[in-house]
Amino acid sequence: DADVTQTPRNRITKTGKRIMLECSQTKGHDRMYWYRQDPGLGLRLIYYSFDVKDINKGEISDGYSVSRQAQAKFSLSLESAIPNQTALYFCATSDWGSTGTYNEQFFGPGTRLTVL
Amino acid sequence: AQSVAQPEDQVNVAEGNPLTVKCTYSVSGNPYLFWYVQYPNRGLQFLLKYITGDNLVKGSYGFEAEFNKSQTSFHLKKPSALVSDSALYFCAVRKGTSGTYKYIFGTGTRLKVLA
Repeated sequence: DADVTQTPRNRITKTGKRIMLECSQTKGHDRMYWYRQDPGLGLRLIYYSFDVKDINKGEISDGYSVSRQAQAKFSLSLESAIPNQTALYFCATSDWGSTGTYNEQFFGPGTRLTVL
Repeated sequence: AQSVAQPEDQVNVAEGNPLTVKCTYSVSGNPYLFWYVQYPNRGLQFLLKYITGDNLVKGSYGFEAEFNKSQTSFHLKKPSALVSDSALYFCAVRKGTSGTYKYIFGTGTRLKVLA
């Protein structure tokens, strides 16, 4: 089974609709992230969370909100979707190593969102 | 200022030839650098990282990367390319201080290995 799962994998919605993307992980990592990927722009950070009580805005948080329901669950919401939020969305996790080193991230398979 | 740059949108190389995918960084202090690969319709997969120590880092699938502090570069290399290496490659850097760090990604380089 995949360590980082995302639901749904594909979603088509209309302008103005509220939509939630969900991420779950079984890696036991404290840190979780939401990114969006657009052609030519790479991955841009939307929100990140270091633990259940610590949520931080990334570089493109406007129009998005998040909820960290548990260590293993991190949801991304679009309160009122607009067409320029059409993108590929990725959830990722990382660990705080025992030596204090920052380890690599583990990514989910992505959610392809289309806003009409 | 951009923290990490991948100057090439696409790199084409013949199968069996060596490949290089370029990455330069701009962060204060000691950089923590990463390479990831993305195959079609998949999430990103970790390839290798530089935290400290030897400037030549070896990773998955025969890839390696060379950290060069004076040139602020972390180029990805492979001695002999395979058609199956064709994918989108991302360089990333950890940015920020302890407790507030985050990862910044480059725009990606599409590698095409020609048979």
